Amino acid sequence: DAGITQSPRYKITETGRQVTLMCHQTWSHSYMFWYRQDLGHGLRLIYYSAAADITDKGEVPDGYVVSRSKTENFPLTLESATRSQTSVYFCASSVLANEQFFGPGTRLTVL
Amino acid sequence: RKEVEQDPGPFNVPEGATVAFNCTYSNSASQSFFWYRQDCRKEPKLLMSVYSSGNEDGRFTAQLNRASQYISLLIRDSKLSDSATYLCVDYSSASKIIFGSGTRLSIRP
Repeated sequence: DAGITQSPRYKITETGRQVTLMCHQTWSHSYMFWYRQDLGHGLRLIYYSAAADITDKGEVPDGYVVSRSKTENFPLTLESATRSQTSVYFCASSVLANEQFFGPGTRLTVL
Repeated sequence: RKEVEQDPGPFNVPEGATVAFNCTYSNSASQSFFWYRQDCRKEPKLLMSVYSSGNEDGRFTAQLNRASQYISLLIRDSKLSDSATYLCVDYSSASKIIFGSGTRLSIRP
C-alpha cells in the first residue's frame, strides 16, 4: 500500500539497549523527518534528511543516529536507550519539507 | 517565551457553533505557517497552509496577522468529527520547524 509506515508500532526496551525504529515511504518524497512527541512539548524535530545519504540534526538529536541509504527508508537508532527517550516517535515525509505527511507513530517505552 | 504558543484548551462547544483559536509565534522573520489536526493517539494530519492573504477551505478559515505575530483558525458549523487537537506550525526551513503544543477542541452534540 502506498503511504508512510513505521515499525514497530509499540516497543518496550531496557535502559542501555540499542533500538532501531523503522520508517518507510512509497511516495519517493525527497525529505524525511523524525520527531518525538511528549506531553507539554509538542513535536520536536530529531533529525531530517533532504535526500538519500544527506542527513542533518534537528532540535533534539543527542542520543540518536540516523541513516538514509535509500530514498524510501529512514531508520532512527537509539544507540543506548535512556528513560528520557520514552516517547512517541513520528516519522514524516515531504516533497519540499514544508507540507509533511506523518506515519502512524511508534510508542517507545524505556524501562 | 516559547517560540510557538497555543492555548491548550479544551474548547468545548456545541455542534453547529463557530469556534476560533489563535497561535502566537515569536520569530518575526517566519514566513510559512500551517495547521495540523491530531486525533487522540494518532498521527498529525495536515489541515491547511496559512497564507498572508488568508485562506479558506470549506468550513475552515486560516489567517495570518504579521503585525501581532499570530495565526488563527476559524471553524464554522462545527461537527462532532472536528473534535481533535489542532497544532500550529512555524516553518522556517527543513531544520527549523516549530510545532505548538496544540489546542484541544471538543464538540458536544
